[in-house]
Amino acid sequence: QSVLTQPPSVSAAPGQKVTISCSGSSSNIGDNKNYVSWYQHLPGTAPKLLIYDNNKRPSGIPDRFSGSKSGTSATLGITRLQTGDEADYYCGTWDTSLSAWVFGGGTKLTVL
Amino acid sequence: EVQLVESGGGLVKPGGSLRVSCAASGFTFSDVWMNWVRQGPGKGLEWVGRIKSKTDGGTADYAAPVKGRFTMSRDDSRNMLYLQMNSLKIEDTAVYYCARRGGMDVWGKGTTVTVSS
Repeated sequence: QSVLTQPPSVSAAPGQKVTISCSGSSSNIGDNKNYVSWYQHLPGTAPKLLIYDNNKRPSGIPDRFSGSKSGTSATLGITRLQTGDEADYYCGTWDTSLSAWVFGGGTKLTVL
Repeated sequence: EVQLVESGGGLVKPGGSLRVSCAASGFTFSDVWMNWVRQGPGKGLEWVGRIKSKTDGGTADYAAPVKGRFTMSRDDSRNMLYLQMNSLKIEDTAVYYCARRGGMDVWGKGTTVTVSS
């Protein structure tokens, strides 16, 4: 049971938009001192940082990827879906009460 | 090029020990905090722990499942990060990744640790 809750799977057609939610609590996402990151992971490869500090994109990440945070939840948005976006997506942040970094359980994106 | 390369994984019996390493290049290793993250078979990403830079105290924090059994260390002169794993359990079987900075902006490709009798 992960501290952060994500839907196990989402799907959409190429060219469409999808959102992935990440629900937490006041000790992690809801604590304004903590920032949410999002990662893309293809099995057998290194995870890739997509979003940091709730809504910032590292250099090289296309603007099709966006992040937002409100209260104790965060959302990853992906527009203009491509088949190459099929992967597992994870949210993560620091949990002040646990004094530990916590990940969501991961969401498998299928581009139909 | 910024790069992290893990090594040292292998097969170990329950109760045994193993040390995995992470070689860093392309950035000033001594300035950054480093993390270990693992992924068990069929499971999601799980944070193992982090070690701060010497400037920030050099201390380490650990996830509850590994606290007291795993120890992180760093050798800034060699740009190396280590994870010493003792009293290994079957549930420690995973791919172990090292990742740079608190937000984990750069990751290695991982090294596989299998705990089995």
